[in-house]
Amino acid sequence: QVQLVQSGAEVKKPGSSVKVSCKASGGTFSSYAISWVRQAPGQGLEWMGGIIPIFGTANYAQKFQGRVTITADESTSTAYMELSSLRSEDTAVYYCARTRITMVQGVITSYNWFDPWGQGTLVTVSS
Amino acid sequence: DIQMTQSPSSLSASVGDRVTITCQASQDISNYLNWYQQKPGKAPKLLIYDASNLETGVPSRFSGSGSGTDFTFTISSLQPEDIATYYCQQYDNLPTFGQGTKLEIK
Repeated sequence: QVQLVQSGAEVKKPGSSVKVSCKASGGTFSSYAISWVRQAPGQGLEWMGGIIPIFGTANYAQKFQGRVTITADESTSTAYMELSSLRSEDTAVYYCARTRITMVQGVITSYNWFDPWGQGTLVTVSS
Repeated sequence: DIQMTQSPSSLSASVGDRVTITCQASQDISNYLNWYQQKPGKAPKLLIYDASNLETGVPSRFSGSGSGTDFTFTISSLQPEDIATYYCQQYDNLPTFGQGTKLEIK
């Protein structure tokens, strides 16, 4: 039974960066993908990007290209999401989630569905 | 990006009612459509994948159907514990979610 445990809440200044961790237990960390999804207060869900640790290459939603970096450390079964140049609109709960993917010839062609999810990490951006 | 439009945005129903939520994609996504349940203050939970497949452990009162651009999520007999917001999500292209349907008890 895979469980994902995320790091604690953060308060950041505009223009700074935040790095959120997601530690997995159960299952084989390297063999599945991890995605990051965020949810602004009272709003819907937004996929930011994902990674399969065994390959180490991440894919990102166009909206976050250049501002987000997703990495994974197989030795600690931990995935990370770093978001830079923070602004007030980045205030949200950030979730990690194990992701079912489709691969063709070693390339991820789709991030299919998300299950289970971490508990979420609230990131507040405020001056 | 593929846009997902859910309706209604909110819904009030009585215990025992049949509840239906629809999700429309901005282009053909085959059956690449999933449904999630999110209770207040909690992470989302996968209920249905590939439009109509019930995730293990999910009660059979939940079901999904559709293909192409039009999809339906149904709760056959609403229970008090079903109060939540429900989201559809496509993965024909990079994943995108519908805006959610908030379900309340009448």
